[in-house]
Amino acid sequence: DTGVSQNPRHKITKRGQNVTFRCDPISEHNRLYWYRQTLGQGPEFLTYFQNEAQLEKSRLLSDRFSAERPKGSFSTLEIQRTEQGDSAMYLCASSPLRGTGENTEAFFGQGTRLTVV
Amino acid sequence: GENVEQHPSTLSVQEGDSAVIKCTYSDSASNYFPWYKQELGKGPQLIIDIRSNVGEKKDQRIAVTLNKTAKHFSLHITETQPEDSAVYFCAAEEYGGSQGNLIFGKGTKLSVKP
Repeated sequence: DTGVSQNPRHKITKRGQNVTFRCDPISEHNRLYWYRQTLGQGPEFLTYFQNEAQLEKSRLLSDRFSAERPKGSFSTLEIQRTEQGDSAMYLCASSPLRGTGENTEAFFGQGTRLTVV
Repeated sequence: GENVEQHPSTLSVQEGDSAVIKCTYSDSASNYFPWYKQELGKGPQLIIDIRSNVGEKKDQRIAVTLNKTAKHFSLHITETQPEDSAVYFCAAEEYGGSQGNLIFGKGTKLSVKP
């Protein structure tokens, strides 16, 4: 499968615990995005990497959320001290880098469903 | 920032009929508008997109139209089939922000009855 891969697919955790999710983008896609999706809503943008540089993180929901892409390949999203309100689907997407100003298609993974109990 | 409104929230059609989903956006500078299909328990799947330099794009049974003056775009599915049943999301790329940052509508749940 050459699509965007996310692990784990499901995660149940107790309130207050830390969780980490992994995303492997499509090979050679320079851009990687994290979104959150709650029930009945569209995906909500969280953060964005171009290669290893995190170019946008102001949309992360709180300082408990952080993301890394250390070598410009896979990325991780960590949530510290989880709260029940963090329960959602966390989606990763990737897209290729084209010319300046040219829009490129974003392809999503299957997501990680987080349940905080 | 960009805001995307999507209607209707639910749509039920008979197999073989057409389905139309409409979206409006707020930022006239936006110039990229993708549509995604999401099946239960899966991630969104890109089905078609349109850029602001064209008014219509077709791919087999799916077409998208864009009216930049009115700031709205629509998805048209013809000859619907039961496997078209899913939630459909429209999106607009937020201009001036991170390239590729998509602002999504709230989705339309399409049910195609055999």
